[in-house]
Amino acid sequence: QQQVKQSPQSLIVQKGGISIINCAYENTAFDYFPWYQQFPGKGPALLIAIRPDVSEKKEGRFTISFNKSAKQFSLHIMDSQPGDSATYFCAASMNTGFQKLVFGTGTRLLVSP
Amino acid sequence: DVKVTQSSRYLVKRTGEKVFLECVQDMDHENMFWYRQDPGLGLRLIYFSYDVKMKEKGDIPEGYSVSREKKERFSLILESASTNQTSMYLCASSSLAGGPGSYNEQFFGPGTRLTVL
Repeated sequence: QQQVKQSPQSLIVQKGGISIINCAYENTAFDYFPWYQQFPGKGPALLIAIRPDVSEKKEGRFTISFNKSAKQFSLHIMDSQPGDSATYFCAASMNTGFQKLVFGTGTRLLVSP
Repeated sequence: DVKVTQSSRYLVKRTGEKVFLECVQDMDHENMFWYRQDPGLGLRLIYFSYDVKMKEKGDIPEGYSVSREKKERFSLILESASTNQTSMYLCASSSLAGGPGSYNEQFFGPGTRLTVL
């Protein structure tokens, strides 16, 4: 129940294409869903996050779509660029005080020039 | 510029050695976390701390302990390193939540790649 399932494990997209990464969860107590981006040799960094009271959040070329009834959320990267090549982690948390994050298994994205 | 630093980028130890991984944050954050990152498994929480001298077990605490004697420093200890502890270790910190319904970003260090031979 604490797991967050992420797919695909790896993804190759051509420059200018749309990258889509999907995550699913079981625990309905989760109420915060961030995405972290990690470049090689660096720690993950927060990219964008959503609360379940909205179905979509957009920041520049990055959009989170959230489907509360299906318990799924996804990251869409529009006009993907080679600089977007990184590993992406979805995560989920609940407001129980310590705000622990439960991470997905990660998606390695490669945007080909 | 916020910063989380980890004492080593790469570390090679022998089986049975005691290993210390150090993490320091300069943001005056209350919360600090230790994760390990393995291919196909994502980030898994080992331990976290919400205050000096306070610690809580995460999802995979076996074989590890932690120490937080000062607010800015959080140490991960492998009492007797084993080969299955070969991994990337990530430290993170975050400020205390502003109240019900508010979440604060976790800031990560660059990681320590530990190899146990």
